[in-house]
Amino acid sequence: NAGVTQTPKFQVLKTGQSMTLQCAQDMNHNSMYWYRQDPGMGLRLIYYSASEGTTDKGEVPNGYNVSRLNKREFSLRLESAAPSQTSVYFCASSEQLAGPDTQYFGPGTRLTVL
Amino acid sequence: SQQGEEDPQALSIQEGENATMNCSYKTSINNLQWYRQNSGRGLVHLILIRSNEREKHSGRLRVTLDTSKKSSSLLITASRAADTASYFCATRRSLGAQKLVFGQGTRLTINP
Repeated sequence: NAGVTQTPKFQVLKTGQSMTLQCAQDMNHNSMYWYRQDPGMGLRLIYYSASEGTTDKGEVPNGYNVSRLNKREFSLRLESAAPSQTSVYFCASSEQLAGPDTQYFGPGTRLTVL
Repeated sequence: SQQGEEDPQALSIQEGENATMNCSYKTSINNLQWYRQNSGRGLVHLILIRSNEREKHSGRLRVTLDTSKKSSSLLITASRAADTASYFCATRRSLGAQKLVFGQGTRLTINP
């Protein structure tokens, strides 16, 4: 089991460029999440998907879009990158939305927007 | 907005000592979880405590929860260099809540 995988690990963009961050999990989890982590801060939820076919906004969704491609994959797209989006992005998954709901995290993508 | 606030923000102790971190939150919760993050890595789940529980143990970890004070503490006993990491609390507000809300974390350094 690879758990939660993310690609790429590092990315540098220029302001205005677009890109998609990929996330996949092999644990047959229903729910998936995208977070961003800025220096000295905890994680802030960008978007989540409670189950295949559904997505919902989190705390900081502006400037991002997501796609739940299938049960395994959940991608995050930056349509026009801005320096304020420089951050480390984490994908996570969990078995169920209700209940104890332990989350399993990927290794992160370090994104720099110049 | 952050539901959990960890205290202290940073903690440095000698190997073998105990480390205590605290988390306060603002609204009623269904459960509270603690996660560890090693430098440059993703978060790893450590332990979960439900709102009707007061204390829970897992190996060298002891978590307490005081719902009347809206606070939790994480105790790591007999610390090791490998415990050096950031520790985050995360709360789930209700069974129907859609997400976990993370605090800002405590940076723990264990000195050999």
